Amino acid sequence: DAGVTQSPTHLIKTRGQQVTLRCSPKSGHDTVSWYQQALGQGPQFIFQYYEEEERQRGNFPDRFSGHQFPNYSSELNVNALLLGDSALYLCASSLAGMNQETQYFGPGTRLLVL
Amino acid sequence: GENVEQHPSTLSVQEGDSAVIKCTYSDSASNYFPWYKQELGKRPQLIIDIRSNVGEKKDQRIAVTLNKTAKHFSLHITETQPEDSAVYFCVLSKGSNYKLTFGKGTLLTVNP
Repeated sequence: DAGVTQSPTHLIKTRGQQVTLRCSPKSGHDTVSWYQQALGQGPQFIFQYYEEEERQRGNFPDRFSGHQFPNYSSELNVNALLLGDSALYLCASSLAGMNQETQYFGPGTRLLVL
Repeated sequence: GENVEQHPSTLSVQEGDSAVIKCTYSDSASNYFPWYKQELGKRPQLIIDIRSNVGEKKDQRIAVTLNKTAKHFSLHITETQPEDSAVYFCVLSKGSNYKLTFGKGTLLTVNP
């Protein structure tokens, strides 16, 4: 049973660039959430995708956008990168319906913005 | 909005001792309270969860208690082992609000 996977594992970008991170949910799951985890902090909710639409969004600027594909995988895009965007980006998957709050995390993508 | 306070920020115990981490929240509509364990450089791992219609739940050496009236919940780890060393996050969500709100984490160190 495949768990949540993310790619790439690490990424280095410079200020102003754009980045795309990818996530494949756990087998059987249909909902993907994205979180940003700064060093020494708890993960912060960015947004959640279900049925290929953004269902809910946290307190992040429009520079952060996403997409969900028909196979339930998802992308997180960040434009005009800032130094403060350096963080671990985590994807979590869940199954809509009963117990949909139960989310399982991927290994994350560590982004460094120089 | 949702907010969760977690204490202590660091906790050091001897192997075999018990560890307790406490969290308080403000929004009475919160109804799902999972705990995640994150080892250094690894993904957050769900270790136990509790819903607001339950007061206590136990899984081997781990237990969670919830006091809805006082708006606090706690994680109890008994007979700690060195492999329990990690950062533990208390988390909550509410109703149709699908996001998870994390506490700031507790760094637990179990000394052999």
